Amino acid sequence: DTGVSQNPRHKITKRGQNVTFRCDPISEHNRLYWYRQTLGQGPEFLTYFQNEAQLEKSRLLSDRFSAERPKGSFSTLEIQRTEQGDSAMYLCAGREGTNEKLLFGSGTQLSVL
Amino acid sequence: QKEVEQNSGPLSVPEGAIASLNCTYSDRGSQSFFWYRQYSGKSPELIMFIYSNGDKEDGRFTAQLNKASQYVSLLIRDSQPSDSATYLCAVRTGTALIFGKGTTLSVSS
Repeated sequence: DTGVSQNPRHKITKRGQNVTFRCDPISEHNRLYWYRQTLGQGPEFLTYFQNEAQLEKSRLLSDRFSAERPKGSFSTLEIQRTEQGDSAMYLCAGREGTNEKLLFGSGTQLSVL
Repeated sequence: QKEVEQNSGPLSVPEGAIASLNCTYSDRGSQSFFWYRQYSGKSPELIMFIYSNGDKEDGRFTAQLNKASQYVSLLIRDSQPSDSATYLCAVRTGTALIFGKGTTLSVSS
């Protein structure tokens, strides 16, 4: 148990469908990050929240992607009109204040058929 | 485009040897540097990090920075088969960590 929970662990969907992932960081994590990782690649930064404010978004994050962190606790990442290229592991990570340690969740593996 | 470059490997070393991994980064203003380990099918876990002001040793692991060459290294002494994994180098630019593609290490017994 890493302390950062992600659900679901696996998601299989058909192209064109919408999917939503959830991340529950530990209570001390005022900073929350979403990354995407494909096979053979390192994690790619998608977006960052400090408390409930979304402060940074990567150019990788197309208009089909939206993330929220209501009340600065859990976060959701929604992908609309999924494409086969969206197939990847979606990783959430939390960070406490100025602590450098980024703690990753177990990830959600998305497969778009 | 801020980048972190790593040789994907695989790097193969015998048990008990020193494994040397390295990466280069493009953002000269980067202040903190990280090494994560990722086992197959698992999420990355932090091994250690260093700031631009010095190297660090933690048990069998040593992280070193050559700021002039924009080069970060990780040395693993007395390598064990359990060290076999992908090692991800990451650099903090602003608030986000930018990761390299990772180097696969294989330690044979």
